[in-house]
Amino acid sequence: KAGVTQTPRYLIKTRGQQVTLSCSPISGHRSVSWYQQTPGQGLQFLFEYFSETQRNKGNFPGRFSGRQFSNSRSEMNVSTLELGDSALYLCASSLGQGALGFSPLHFGNGTRLTVT
Amino acid sequence: SQQGEEDPQALSIQEGENATMNCSYKTSINNLQWYRQNSGRGLVHLILIRSNEREKHSGRLRVTLDTSKKSSSLLITASRAADTASYFCAPAGEGGSNYKLTFGKGTLLTVNP
Repeated sequence: KAGVTQTPRYLIKTRGQQVTLSCSPISGHRSVSWYQQTPGQGLQFLFEYFSETQRNKGNFPGRFSGRQFSNSRSEMNVSTLELGDSALYLCASSLGQGALGFSPLHFGNGTRLTVT
Repeated sequence: SQQGEEDPQALSIQEGENATMNCSYKTSINNLQWYRQNSGRGLVHLILIRSNEREKHSGRLRVTLDTSKKSSSLLITASRAADTASYFCAPAGEGGSNYKLTFGKGTLLTVNP
């Protein structure tokens, strides 16, 4: 079974630009979560999608948005990039919330975004 | 929020020794999960322990859970240099309102050859 695929692996953008990151989940997983990881703030939850619906959103400005398609693939977009948006962006897929709690997350290797 | 806090922040041991790291959380959980992250890579799920379980083993990993103290521990026995990584716990809250796992700062484990 193929793992979670994130593209691109590395990205360099300039302040003010926008960027779109892509995530292909494990087949059969309908939940996709996004995280931002920086040395200072650690792993910060961005949002979670299930069957094309955003069910939870972290404390990030409206410049951060996402969506999920009918095949469960997901994209996240950051507009008007700032230097502080430089981070490793991680996508994770799972079976989602079940009766016994949230299922384990399967992470991709992330997209390293550098904003100059 | 249902975030775990790992302790210690950093741990350095010699190959062959055991490594123990701890996790504390604040509210009721359905399960608690441990993850490993090698530098610059995605997290890898290691083990899940349910709230009605007290101990679970997987290979060289042993996880304990004390829901009365709201704490968990991860023991790695006979550590290897390849175990060098950051380790995170993620308490999974009750109910369906969260739809997320949150992570603390992690424990950075260094295993010296």
